[in-house]
Formats: sequence, C-alpha cells, structure tokens
Amino acid sequence: KNQVEQSPQSLIILEGKNCTLQCNYTVSPFSNLRWYKQDTGRGPVSLTIMTFSENTKSNGRYTATLDADTKQSSLHITASQLSDSASYICVVSAASAAGNKLTFGGGTRVLVKP
Amino acid sequence: DTEVTQTPKHLVMGMTNKKSLKCEQHMGHRAMYWYKQKAKKPPELMFVYSYEKLSINESVPSRFSPECPNSSLLNLHLHALQPEDSALYLCASSQGSGGPYEQYFGPGTRLTVT
Repeated sequence: KNQVEQSPQSLIILEGKNCTLQCNYTVSPFSNLRWYKQDTGRGPVSLTIMTFSENTKSNGRYTATLDADTKQSSLHITASQLSDSASYICVVSAASAAGNKLTFGGGTRVLVKP
Repeated sequence: DTEVTQTPKHLVMGMTNKKSLKCEQHMGHRAMYWYKQKAKKPPELMFVYSYEKLSINESVPSRFSPECPNSSLLNLHLHALQPEDSALYLCASSQGSGGPYEQYFGPGTRLTVT
C-alpha cells in the first residue's frame, strides 16, 4: 500500500529561525514528489515538484531535497516569517495507466511566533 | 491566469437537498480533480477527469456525481448527503493527468450537511 509519513506532526518556531520538515514514503512506481503549503480553510499551493533525477529544488526561502534511494524528502524553511504559519503537505505521485495518483502525507502544521 | 475558481465558498444543505458545486479554470488544463478534506486531515482524492472523461473514481458513494461539461468546467452534484459528508471540497486542475504536472487547487467549498 502506498504511504507517505510526515514528521513532526506540528512544530512551533520563532520568527527568523530555520526549520526542516521530513517526509518518508513508500510509493511505487514513483513518479514525482511535491510539497504543498496550505493555509487554514484554503486550497494547497504548490511549493516544489521533484522527479526521480532531482535531489534538490528551491523556491525562495523553501528548499526541498529528495533521496530516491532511501525514499526520503525534506523541506527546509529559511529565516521563517509569520506568513509561513500553515500546514505543509508532502505528496508523492505514482504512475498508473489512468494517470498519476497522488498519495498525501498527513501534513506538518507549522506555527511561527514573533 | 493560474487561478482555479470554485463556487459557492460556503454551502449548507439538508440531507434531502440536491445541490451542485462548481469549478472553473481557464489555463487550458486537460485534467481536473475533486478532493474531499476533513479538518486537520490531508485531501482525499475523489475523482479525476482527463480530457473530459472520468478516468479515476476512488470508490466514492453514488450520492456524489461528478460532471465535466467541457474542458474548463467541473461540477460535483450532491444528493441525499449525510452529516459525515461535511468537509472542504477542493477542485484542482493540471496540464495533464500523467507526468510531473503541477496541480493548481481552488480555494474550496466549505460544505455543511445538516
């Protein structure tokens, strides 16, 4: 069964500090891995998409890494801002005849405090 | 224009009502999706349309009926829902359903079934 596990479930950080979120997956056949940011009550917004051959990708203060051998990914937030408070969801896509099927992780809820 | 719009934003309906959720995108995307999201949980895939044809139905109860009238529009018809169907319903679209295409999510419709 395809699964995506994220850790921690939640964390609190002070404004200006860095943090790293983890994602472990067992999805086959692997197509790509995405990180989304979701504000409460809103739709997710894509931060990064990485395929098998990519091991790092940045989007502003967000940097995602992918180790396809160990099936792990991380999302690093640099110099956090209050607006970074949100849920961060790791999503892994498996290729299928009907198209890519996404498996969502449970998310990490980040709260940035002043 | 990278926007997916959804209407209505909020919907309250009784268990005997019939209502519809609407989703629209003008990015020329050929894949559209319906997700259901309960509080503090990740989105769960319900349906995928590819080139206006239903390609994935994740064993969703028949009280939810999707419709794709054209490549820009996606509807979700609701009938005889249960209180446990109360959730945030998210629509998304992507260039295609296969490959590392980014999924763009709408803001969601907050549905309450009384």
